[in-house]
Amino acid sequence: KQEVTQIPAALSVPEGENLVLNCSFTDSAIYNLQWFRQDPGKGLTSLLLIQSSQREQTSGRLNASLDKSSGRSTLYIAASQPGDSATYLCAVLMDSNYQLIWGAGTKLIIKP
Amino acid sequence: GAGVSQTPSNKVTEKGKYVELRCDPISGHTALYWYRQSLGQGPEFLIYFQGTGAADDSGLPNDRFFAVRPEGSVSTLKIQRTERGDSAVYLCASSPQGITDTQYFGPGTRLTVL
Repeated sequence: KQEVTQIPAALSVPEGENLVLNCSFTDSAIYNLQWFRQDPGKGLTSLLLIQSSQREQTSGRLNASLDKSSGRSTLYIAASQPGDSATYLCAVLMDSNYQLIWGAGTKLIIKP
Repeated sequence: GAGVSQTPSNKVTEKGKYVELRCDPISGHTALYWYRQSLGQGPEFLIYFQGTGAADDSGLPNDRFFAVRPEGSVSTLKIQRTERGDSAVYLCASSPQGITDTQYFGPGTRLTVL
């Protein structure tokens, strides 16, 4: 059974710092991996999608990497801003049944 | 354009009652998904529609839960004989074609069963 783990569960850093969020998964038979952002009272917003054959994706100040064989992904946020404060979740789409399996998220607070 | 909308935003009900949660997907999106999210957890898959039919309902926890999408657009999640353990945020998402596309999420319905 696929398990997705995100460490740390919470992170607080000063504005302007670069930071890395981690995601690990136990079953490497994935179709893709996605990073989402969740703001309180709002839905999830897709940030980056990495296909299983890709190593990384970039969007603005965000860069996500994928090492499928070791079951790891990282989300790198450059020059953090208070508006980046949110919960970040990763999810893997399984090859076997195309279900999205989610981590519990990392709650990020960027201090002005 | 309009995103995914869900109504109501909040629903409080008593144990044993019946509830319906509605999802309006993005216009033209053929795939629709329901998830359930408990506090401090990631979403949990419930059901996936492709058009009008349920392509995968393996995530529905028991036969008290049922979902429909009769015209391939709006979907309704129906919960019978609600229990306190059903309290959660119910999220709906849609994607343009299939399950490998990026999913676009609505704001969710917070269900509280007293």
